[in-house]
Amino acid sequence: GQQLNQSPQSMFIQEGEDVSMNCTSSSIFNTWLWYKQEPGEGPVLLIALYKAGELTSNGRLTAQFGITRKDSFLNISASIPSDVGIYFCAAGINKFYFGSGTKLNVKP
Amino acid sequence: DTGVSQNPRHKITKRGQNVTFRCDPISEHNRLYWYRQTLGQGPEFLTYFQNEAQLEKSRLLSDRFSAERPKGSFSTLEIQRTEQGDSAMYLCASSRLEAQFKNIQYFGAGTRLSVL
Repeated sequence: GQQLNQSPQSMFIQEGEDVSMNCTSSSIFNTWLWYKQEPGEGPVLLIALYKAGELTSNGRLTAQFGITRKDSFLNISASIPSDVGIYFCAAGINKFYFGSGTKLNVKP
Repeated sequence: DTGVSQNPRHKITKRGQNVTFRCDPISEHNRLYWYRQTLGQGPEFLTYFQNEAQLEKSRLLSDRFSAERPKGSFSTLEIQRTEQGDSAMYLCASSRLEAQFKNIQYFGAGTRLSVL
């Protein structure tokens, strides 16, 4: 089936550092979503993107919908320990395809 | 709290038994989705409803799986004759299609199924 390629698979960073992760697809999508998931919980929506080229922020998080509509990235600035978790990209219209996640570890 | 609610949170069953999960979506959300997530992977789409109509089913949804949303509100997902490979987190999401392409899905906390 359809797959989104998400990278990196995991990151170990120091508190205060900026983080960047991205997703690519071989298909064009009209909506990109970014979620964060913590152990034993469901994904929590962070940012939604609807238009190619769109750049959207949510606090320290910024995400962009690629011009080709085949990719998206998520940046986290000035990371803090509570940013720890797994971040997923998702793309689709009705049903969504998910990346395999980026596991973020933040060292205080 | 009026988020997506899933019950039970955990289910342990023996191989061959039937299990049923329930999802209560955010009120006024007309769409409801079921996903399955295994360890180290992102959620995989299983099926979705618009109101009470089941509009799409994934090939992942074998004949042993059935989902219903009889009144367009809550939904149930039943797995018959469970197998060890069914062990996973089953996630429910709901959305309200506001405009073309604006389909934001909100997830519940999931039901973790363990088949022994």
